[in-house]
Amino acid sequence: DAEITQSPRHKITETGRQVTLACHQTWNHNNMFWYRQDLGHGLRLIHYSYGVQDTNKGEVSDGYSVSRSNTEDLPLTLESAASSQTSVYFCASSESSDHEQYFGPGTRLTVT
Amino acid sequence: GQSLEQPSEVTAVEGAIVQINCTYQTSGFYGLSWYQQHDGGAPTFLSYNALDGLEETGRFSSFLSRSDSYGYLLLQELQMKDSASYFCAGLDSNYQLIWGAGTKLIIKP
Repeated sequence: DAEITQSPRHKITETGRQVTLACHQTWNHNNMFWYRQDLGHGLRLIHYSYGVQDTNKGEVSDGYSVSRSNTEDLPLTLESAASSQTSVYFCASSESSDHEQYFGPGTRLTVT
Repeated sequence: GQSLEQPSEVTAVEGAIVQINCTYQTSGFYGLSWYQQHDGGAPTFLSYNALDGLEETGRFSSFLSRSDSYGYLLLQELQMKDSASYFCAGLDSNYQLIWGAGTKLIIKP
Protein backbone atom coordinates (compact mmCIF):
# COMPACT_ATOMS: atom_id res chain seq x y z
CA ASP A 1 0.00 0.00 0.00
CA ALA A 2 1.10 3.53 -0.74
CA GLU A 3 2.07 5.57 2.26
CA ILE A 4 3.89 8.62 3.56
CA THR A 5 6.51 8.20 6.26
CA GLN A 6 8.51 10.60 8.40
CA SER A 7 11.71 10.11 10.31
CA PRO A 8 12.71 10.45 13.00
CA ARG A 9 9.41 10.33 14.92
CA HIS A 10 11.00 12.10 17.89
CA LYS A 11 14.08 14.30 18.00
CA ILE A 12 15.76 16.32 20.70
CA THR A 13 18.43 18.75 19.60
CA GLU A 14 20.32 21.72 20.93
CA THR A 15 19.97 25.34 19.96
CA GLY A 16 22.13 26.25 16.99
CA ARG A 17 22.41 22.75 15.52
CA GLN A 18 21.33 21.91 11.99
CA VAL A 19 18.52 19.36 11.86
CA THR A 20 17.00 17.53 8.91
CA LEU A 21 13.61 15.85 9.04
CA ALA A 22 12.87 13.27 6.38
CA CYS A 23 9.62 12.76 4.48
CA HIS A 24 9.10 9.93 1.99
CA GLN A 25 5.92 9.14 0.06
CA THR A 26 5.11 6.24 -2.22
CA TRP A 27 1.89 7.74 -3.60
CA ASN A 28 3.84 9.17 -6.56
CA HIS A 29 2.27 12.55 -5.76
CA ASN A 30 3.73 15.66 -7.33
CA ASN A 31 2.68 17.97 -4.50
CA MET A 32 4.36 17.82 -1.10
CA PHE A 33 4.03 20.08 1.94
CA TRP A 34 5.63 20.69 5.31
CA TYR A 35 3.58 22.05 8.23
CA ARG A 36 4.19 22.74 11.87
CA GLN A 37 1.53 22.32 14.54
CA ASP A 38 1.66 24.07 17.89
CA LEU A 39 -0.79 23.82 20.77
CA GLY A 40 -3.81 26.04 20.21
CA HIS A 41 -2.99 26.55 16.56
CA GLY A 42 -3.95 24.86 13.39
CA LEU A 43 -1.32 23.74 10.95
CA ARG A 44 0.92 26.40 9.48
CA LEU A 45 2.59 25.93 6.13
CA ILE A 46 6.39 26.05 6.09
CA HIS A 47 7.37 25.07 2.54
CA TYR A 48 5.80 23.23 -0.36
CA SER A 49 6.76 21.71 -3.69
CA TYR A 50 4.79 21.00 -6.84
CA GLY A 51 7.40 18.76 -8.40
CA VAL A 52 11.07 17.89 -8.76
CA GLN A 53 13.32 20.95 -8.41
CA ASP A 54 10.33 23.11 -7.41
CA THR A 55 10.19 24.61 -3.91
CA ASN A 56 8.13 27.48 -2.50
CA LYS A 57 7.95 29.36 0.78
CA GLY A 58 4.93 29.10 2.98
CA GLU A 59 3.58 31.27 5.77
CA VAL A 60 6.35 30.47 8.30
CA SER A 61 9.42 29.66 6.20
CA ASP A 62 12.08 31.67 8.07
CA GLY A 63 14.80 29.38 9.44
CA TYR A 64 13.73 26.42 7.29
CA SER A 65 14.71 25.10 3.87
CA VAL A 66 13.67 22.21 1.62
CA SER A 67 14.96 20.55 -1.51
CA ARG A 68 13.18 18.27 -3.99
CA SER A 69 15.56 16.06 -5.96
CA ASN A 70 13.04 13.30 -6.68
CA THR A 71 9.29 12.73 -6.53
CA GLU A 72 9.31 10.66 -3.32
CA ASP A 73 11.26 12.84 -0.88
CA LEU A 74 11.03 16.35 0.57
CA PRO A 75 13.50 16.75 3.47
CA LEU A 76 13.06 19.74 5.76
CA THR A 77 16.19 21.37 7.18
CA LEU A 78 16.38 23.67 10.15
CA GLU A 79 19.52 25.67 9.46
CA SER A 80 20.20 26.65 13.08
CA ALA A 81 17.62 25.26 15.47
CA ALA A 82 15.93 27.68 17.86
CA SER A 83 13.70 26.98 20.85
CA SER A 84 10.82 28.61 18.96
CA GLN A 85 11.05 25.74 16.50
CA THR A 86 10.02 23.19 19.10
CA SER A 87 6.88 21.78 17.54
CA VAL A 88 5.27 18.82 15.82
CA TYR A 89 6.10 18.72 12.13
CA PHE A 90 3.84 17.10 9.56
CA CYS A 91 4.65 16.26 6.00
CA ALA A 92 1.80 15.86 3.50
CA SER A 93 1.31 15.08 -0.15
CA SER A 94 -1.48 15.46 -2.67
CA GLU A 95 -2.09 14.28 -6.19
CA SER A 96 -3.46 17.33 -7.94
CA SER A 97 -6.03 18.84 -5.61
CA ASP A 98 -4.45 20.82 -2.78
CA HIS A 99 -7.59 20.59 -0.65
CA GLU A 100 -7.19 16.82 -0.08
CA GLN A 101 -3.82 16.10 1.45
CA TYR A 102 -2.41 12.87 2.90
CA PHE A 103 -0.36 13.32 6.03
CA GLY A 104 2.59 11.50 7.52
CA PRO A 105 2.61 10.47 11.21
CA GLY A 106 4.53 13.56 12.30
CA THR A 107 7.88 14.31 13.94
CA ARG A 108 7.98 15.76 17.43
CA LEU A 109 11.00 18.06 17.61
CA THR A 110 12.30 19.53 20.85
CA VAL A 111 15.01 22.20 20.76
CA THR A 112 16.73 22.69 24.12
CA GLY B 1 -5.34 38.78 6.66
CA GLN B 2 -7.00 35.43 6.36
CA SER B 3 -8.29 33.58 9.40
CA LEU B 4 -10.78 30.89 10.25
CA GLU B 5 -12.62 30.76 13.55
CA GLN B 6 -13.86 27.59 15.21
CA PRO B 7 -15.06 26.86 18.74
CA SER B 8 -12.21 25.44 20.78
CA GLU B 9 -14.29 22.64 22.28
CA VAL B 10 -17.66 20.99 21.77
CA THR B 11 -19.26 18.32 23.95
CA ALA B 12 -21.93 15.88 22.80
CA VAL B 13 -23.52 12.59 23.79
CA GLU B 14 -22.94 9.27 22.06
CA GLY B 15 -25.62 8.63 19.44
CA ALA B 16 -26.49 12.32 19.12
CA ILE B 17 -25.84 14.87 16.36
CA VAL B 18 -23.27 17.65 16.65
CA GLN B 19 -22.43 20.63 14.45
CA ILE B 20 -19.00 22.26 14.37
CA ASN B 21 -19.01 25.75 12.93
CA CYS B 22 -16.32 27.55 10.99
CA THR B 23 -16.41 31.22 10.05
CA TYR B 24 -13.75 32.93 8.02
CA GLN B 25 -12.42 36.41 7.41
CA THR B 26 -10.83 36.65 4.01
CA SER B 27 -11.21 38.13 0.57
CA GLY B 28 -12.36 34.70 -0.52
CA PHE B 29 -11.54 31.03 -0.47
CA TYR B 30 -11.97 28.64 -3.37
CA GLY B 31 -13.44 26.09 -1.00
CA LEU B 32 -13.48 24.69 2.53
CA SER B 33 -11.95 21.39 3.66
CA TRP B 34 -12.50 19.48 6.88
CA TYR B 35 -9.95 17.23 8.58
CA GLN B 36 -10.08 14.95 11.61
CA GLN B 37 -7.15 14.46 13.96
CA HIS B 38 -7.07 12.01 16.87
CA ASP B 39 -4.76 12.76 19.78
CA GLY B 40 -1.20 11.95 18.79
CA GLY B 41 -2.23 11.20 15.23
CA ALA B 42 -2.07 12.82 11.84
CA PRO B 43 -4.83 14.86 10.22
CA THR B 44 -7.03 12.87 7.87
CA PHE B 45 -9.19 14.36 5.15
CA LEU B 46 -12.96 14.24 5.65
CA SER B 47 -14.62 16.44 3.05
CA TYR B 48 -14.33 19.45 0.75
CA ASN B 49 -16.96 21.97 -0.31
CA ALA B 50 -16.14 23.76 -3.55
CA LEU B 51 -19.70 25.00 -3.98
CA ASP B 52 -22.33 26.35 -1.62
CA GLY B 53 -24.55 23.72 -0.10
CA LEU B 54 -24.40 20.42 1.68
CA GLU B 55 -22.02 17.53 0.93
CA GLU B 56 -22.84 14.21 2.56
CA THR B 57 -20.39 11.37 3.21
CA GLY B 58 -21.90 8.68 5.38
CA ARG B 59 -22.44 9.95 8.92
CA PHE B 60 -20.57 13.16 8.15
CA SER B 61 -21.91 16.14 6.21
CA SER B 62 -20.32 19.48 5.44
CA PHE B 63 -21.94 22.75 4.47
CA LEU B 64 -20.64 25.96 2.92
CA SER B 65 -22.20 29.39 2.43
CA ARG B 66 -19.83 31.78 0.68
CA SER B 67 -22.15 34.74 1.07
CA ASP B 68 -22.05 34.26 4.85
CA SER B 69 -18.33 33.24 4.97
CA TYR B 70 -19.50 30.26 6.98
CA GLY B 71 -19.36 26.52 6.97
CA TYR B 72 -20.03 23.64 9.30
CA LEU B 73 -19.34 19.96 9.79
CA LEU B 74 -22.27 17.83 10.93
CA LEU B 75 -21.62 14.51 12.60
CA GLN B 76 -24.57 12.15 13.08
CA GLU B 77 -25.01 9.02 15.20
CA LEU B 78 -21.96 9.96 17.22
CA GLN B 79 -19.63 7.15 18.24
CA MET B 80 -16.92 7.24 20.88
CA LYS B 81 -14.31 6.86 18.12
CA ASP B 82 -15.42 10.26 16.77
CA SER B 83 -13.73 11.89 19.76
CA ALA B 84 -11.01 13.92 18.06
CA SER B 85 -10.11 17.42 16.93
CA TYR B 86 -11.73 18.74 13.77
CA PHE B 87 -10.14 21.40 11.59
CA CYS B 88 -11.62 23.53 8.87
CA ALA B 89 -9.18 24.77 6.24
CA GLY B 90 -9.81 27.24 3.45
CA LEU B 91 -8.18 26.93 0.04
CA ASP B 92 -6.84 30.40 -0.70
CA SER B 93 -6.06 32.16 -3.98
CA ASN B 94 -2.57 30.58 -4.00
CA TYR B 95 -4.17 27.13 -3.65
CA GLN B 96 -2.77 26.80 -0.15
CA LEU B 97 -4.76 25.56 2.83
CA ILE B 98 -5.24 28.10 5.63
CA TRP B 99 -6.18 26.21 8.80
CA GLY B 100 -8.44 27.02 11.71
CA ALA B 101 -7.16 26.31 15.22
CA GLY B 102 -9.34 23.22 15.55
CA THR B 103 -12.32 22.10 17.61
CA LYS B 104 -11.89 19.36 20.20
CA LEU B 105 -14.98 17.13 20.18
CA ILE B 106 -15.65 15.41 23.49
CA ILE B 107 -18.21 12.62 23.41
CA LYS B 108 -19.86 11.39 26.58
CA PRO B 109 -21.49 7.97 26.87
